[in-house]
Amino acid sequence: DTAVSQTPKYLVTQMGNDKSIKCEQNLGHDTMYWYKQDSKKFLKIMFSYNNKELIINETVPNRFSPKSPDKAHLNLHINSLELGDSAVYFCASSQVSDTIYFGEGSWLTVV
Amino acid sequence: GNSVTQMEGPVTLSEEAFLTINCTYTATGYPSLFWYVQYPGEGLQLLLKATKADDKGSNKGFEATYRKETTSFHLEKGSVQVSDSAVYFCALSPSGGYNKLIFGAGTRLAVHP
Repeated sequence: DTAVSQTPKYLVTQMGNDKSIKCEQNLGHDTMYWYKQDSKKFLKIMFSYNNKELIINETVPNRFSPKSPDKAHLNLHINSLELGDSAVYFCASSQVSDTIYFGEGSWLTVV
Repeated sequence: GNSVTQMEGPVTLSEEAFLTINCTYTATGYPSLFWYVQYPGEGLQLLLKATKADDKGSNKGFEATYRKETTSFHLEKGSVQVSDSAVYFCALSPSGGYNKLIFGAGTRLAVHP
């Protein structure tokens, strides 16, 4: 069974479009995250939600809007996509102070 | 602030060679330390972790010891295989505050037959 699953795995879209990436975890965790991996493989946290409440927002542009309908889901919506948004986006989850488990990543390419 | 520094790659080894990937950190308090691995075209997998000083994390033949005196968490494996070729990330989770991971830049390992 997949613990943290995200869709789509690959996404190619044009500049200016709006797109969403969905994430679900079946681990019963209270906290979910979005991380971004750039073209140099550098990983950085974007957002963290605990029980549907935003607790970390690492100065991400307003075009990125996370939404957590319940504690098992954390979706990422991106408006007006730019070339620089091309990256791998990882969803993750954990219990409050425990190990963080990652999904398989969503490869976003903006053309 | 909190940060993680890893040795630059790529690291290229022959099969059965000994592997060390250096990782040092800067943090206040007592962070937890992790190694994650990313195989080509795949997501991040937790390889091992240590939550306090002198703890040794181990998995799949890899080991790392939490050294508070040298603020290090070096990854080692006695005999690498071609299938170990991947990018390895050292990370810390700061003590206190909200749970999050701060990653090093990653080290690419290439193992040749």
